[in-house]
Amino acid sequence: EPEVTQTPSHQVTQMGQEVILRCVPISNHLYFYWYRQILGQKVEFLVSFYNNEISEKSEIFDDQFSVERPDGSNFTLKIRSTKLEDSAMYFCASSALPSPDTQYFGPGTRLTVL
Amino acid sequence: AQKVTQAQTEISVVEKEDVTLDCVYETRDTTYYLFWYKQPPSGELVFLIRRNSFDEQNEISGRYSWNFQKSTSSFNFTITASQVVDSAVYFCALSESGTASKLTFGTGTRLQVTL
Repeated sequence: EPEVTQTPSHQVTQMGQEVILRCVPISNHLYFYWYRQILGQKVEFLVSFYNNEISEKSEIFDDQFSVERPDGSNFTLKIRSTKLEDSAMYFCASSALPSPDTQYFGPGTRLTVL
Repeated sequence: AQKVTQAQTEISVVEKEDVTLDCVYETRDTTYYLFWYKQPPSGELVFLIRRNSFDEQNEISGRYSWNFQKSTSSFNFTITASQVVDSAVYFCALSESGTASKLTFGTGTRLQVTL
């Protein structure tokens, strides 16, 4: 069964450093998303991406964040200068259809900022 | 603005008990979609079900059933004869119509099933 994959599973970084989180969505999916979950809290939307453009972004997704689909398979989230409060689990998701379709989530990347 | 409320923070049951997880939502859209996801201790988010706003039929899948009531803006999830493997955090989520629409999650209900 096709699945969303994410690497690394755990990333530890120093405050102020840049990190890139990687995702490989399900191969025939066209819509991509990033969410984050601070430990013990709810899952929060960051950004959606379609046709090489951001479709929607939340207030959390400020200038420190960017997304890219550098090739036909990867979808990345970059945080330019990490802060302590960026520590969270970051989930990538993908869906096949344009209308609200089921989003399938990857296993997540736990980001720890020291 | 859309909102999802899961008032039950944590529920503990003994194996084989039935348990219902509540979900209440708010949206101004007439077309919307409701979801349940399971987050086991390993941390991943597992899709369980999707309902659209025009389909109020209740659904049963094995030990799982869902009760969608537009009149009360609720989409409750019942596990019959609970098992230890059902222990997880369960999230209800809402998506409004539109391309690449975001999911708005509730705060989750932690279900603990013990022997």
